[in-house]
Amino acid sequence: ETGVTQTPRHLVMGMTNKKSLKCEQHLGHNAMYWYKQSAKKPLELMFVYNFKEQTENNSVPSRFSPECPNSSHLFLHLHTLQPEDSALYLCASSQAASGGPYTDTQYFGPGTRLTVL
Amino acid sequence: GQNIDQPTEMTATEGAIVQINCTYQTSGFNGLFWYQQHAGEAPTFLSYNVLDGLEEKGRFSSFLSRSKGYSYLLLKELQMKDSASYLCAAMDSNYQLIWGAGTKLIIKP
Repeated sequence: ETGVTQTPRHLVMGMTNKKSLKCEQHLGHNAMYWYKQSAKKPLELMFVYNFKEQTENNSVPSRFSPECPNSSHLFLHLHTLQPEDSALYLCASSQAASGGPYTDTQYFGPGTRLTVL
Repeated sequence: GQNIDQPTEMTATEGAIVQINCTYQTSGFNGLFWYQQHAGEAPTFLSYNVLDGLEEKGRFSSFLSRSKGYSYLLLKELQMKDSASYLCAAMDSNYQLIWGAGTKLIIKP
């Protein structure tokens, strides 16, 4: 496979469920991102990992928990979500410089369409 | 604060030309990106401008004016498959992307 893949593509869950979203990049990049995309709103950056270290957490509620076991894989663990968390969750990757903020173009996966009942 | 403005929706005719505008206000500037996103699919990279001027890439061109905080994406010889949302994003001094809400482009025969 090439590019950035995400599974599952669609997910319906109740507010008490626990589920995980998976992202894998095959581009040899060292930075990975989780975004939330809601209708008619700008992309919201949730988490950033550079070289497997979390460098950004943009005030995301603790019911979202990221995990980055290596530079190719990124997970988003979901627990006790709310209906307003229903959205498209996009993963992206890029090539970042070590020791500094510079990063190259981000490449996106197709997203997971999440519906919370 | 940091902000990106772009029209919510535009309509154009197959074979015509359309220009999608984007204005930005960011803390520092490290370039401007345009992405295309078809419904239910990944945003795909179209262009990157960091210097003033026009960059042409086939039917698509992107323009940047840093002094005006302004960019546009120009699509020529429109095809039905160009119906999509077009996302504008500016990179700030920390290399963070500040995103617009996207412009939904509808192409009519």
